[in-house]
Amino acid sequence: KAGVTQTPRYLIKTRGQQVTLSCSPISGHRSVSWYQQTPGQGLQFLFEYFSETQRNKGNFPGRFSGRQFSNSRSEMNVSTLELGDSALYLCASSGGAGHSYEQYFGPGTRLTVT
Amino acid sequence: GESVGLHLPTLSVQEGDNSIINCAYSNSASDYFIWYKQESGKGPQFIIDIRSNMDKRQGQRVTVLLNKTVKHLSLQIAATQPGDSAVYFCAESDRDDKIIFGKGTRLHILP
Repeated sequence: KAGVTQTPRYLIKTRGQQVTLSCSPISGHRSVSWYQQTPGQGLQFLFEYFSETQRNKGNFPGRFSGRQFSNSRSEMNVSTLELGDSALYLCASSGGAGHSYEQYFGPGTRLTVT
Repeated sequence: GESVGLHLPTLSVQEGDNSIINCAYSNSASDYFIWYKQESGKGPQFIIDIRSNMDKRQGQRVTVLLNKTVKHLSLQIAATQPGDSAVYFCAESDRDDKIIFGKGTRLHILP
C-alpha cells in the first residue's frame, strides 16, 4: 500500500504570493489533517478534513485554508505569504474522523518564503 | 535532513540501555495521548497510544506510562538500538479532537 504523498517536496515563494500544497492520502483513508512544523513552535495543527468537510480547525489566520476532494485528496492554500510561514507542512491521513485513529504522515512540503 | 527543532532537549543513551523520554501535557481534559517518532527528512511515525482510562500500555520494545495526577507521560524504549535515533514527540487530544504536540526530545544513541 502506498503511503501518504505530498507535492511538491520543496517550494520557494516570495512574500505576498500565495501557495497551494497537495496531499494524497493512503488509499481508503477518508481523513486528512494538516500540520505546520517550525523550529520555534514545533508541530501545530492546522485543520482536518473528512469526507470533503472541514471537521476541525486549529488557531491559524484565515490566510490558511484547505479543501478535500471526493477522492480524499486534499489541498491547502496559504495566501499573502509572510516570512513566518516558512515551515515544513505535513499532512496525515487516517481511516476515520478524529485523532483517535492512527495517523500516517507524509514526508512534508518544505516551504521557504523570502 | 529536516531540522525539526534547533533547541530540543537531547537525551543521550548507550546502545543496549533503556531510554526514558518524558513529557508533561497541559490539558487536564485530554483523554488520548500518542507518541510519535520523527527521523530526519521524514514525517512523524506513530509509535504507541494510550487512553486516559489506562495508566500503562506496552508495545514491541516500547511502554507508555500515563500519570494523570501530575499530567505526565513517558515513553520507555527497551534495549535502545541505533535505529531508535530520532526526535520523539508526545501529543494529546481532548474531546474537541484537536491534537497538541509537545516540543520534542532528540534521542541520541551512543555506540
